[in-house]
Amino acid sequence: DAGVTQSPTHLIKTRGQHVTLRCSPISGHKSVSWYQQVLGQGPQFIFQYYEKEERGRGNFPDRFSARQFPNYSSELNVNALLLGDSALYLCASSLVRGVLEQYFGPGTRLTVT
Amino acid sequence: AQSVAQPEDQVNVAEGNPLTVKCTYSVSGNPYLFWYVQYPNRGLQFLLKYITGDNLVKGSYGFEAEFNKSQTSFHLKKPSALVSDSALYFCAVRGNRDDKIIFGKGTRLHILP
Repeated sequence: DAGVTQSPTHLIKTRGQHVTLRCSPISGHKSVSWYQQVLGQGPQFIFQYYEKEERGRGNFPDRFSARQFPNYSSELNVNALLLGDSALYLCASSLVRGVLEQYFGPGTRLTVT
Repeated sequence: AQSVAQPEDQVNVAEGNPLTVKCTYSVSGNPYLFWYVQYPNRGLQFLLKYITGDNLVKGSYGFEAEFNKSQTSFHLKKPSALVSDSALYFCAVRGNRDDKIIFGKGTRLHILP
């Protein structure tokens, strides 16, 4: 069975640009969460989506937005990129909202120059 | 506010010896506690979780963790370390009021041959 997939694997952007990251959850999973992992730190919660609605938001600026599609895949969008947005962006899926086991994808490494 | 502390940046253990990776937490209400492992250039892999019940939780790859409510700790343990256990380990906590998971900063485990 396929696990959580994310695309692209790596991405290099320039300050001020916009980026879209994509995530496909495990088949049958309806909840997707996004995390930012800066080098040397633990993942930080950005968003959770369940049944196409935002169910939770971390302490990130409005430059960060996300959405979930009818097939439960998800996009994370970041506008006006800053150098500090350089990080590994992780997507995690779970069967339903409130289920405690989350399964993580391999991440997208974003570098902002 | 929820928080997780992993007091050791790095733990070195000789192969075959027991290992402990420490974690303490702060959360309102009853905690849901997790351990994840991250190998280089990979996403996070779930090891084990504590929800309720027996304070000793057994997980993947021979790992276990002990929940101690009075000390607000959830230390990860393994009776006999393997070189392949060398990786970055994250403790995480979720309160029972929302789905946000808070991660510690991680502990790098080195198993010496």
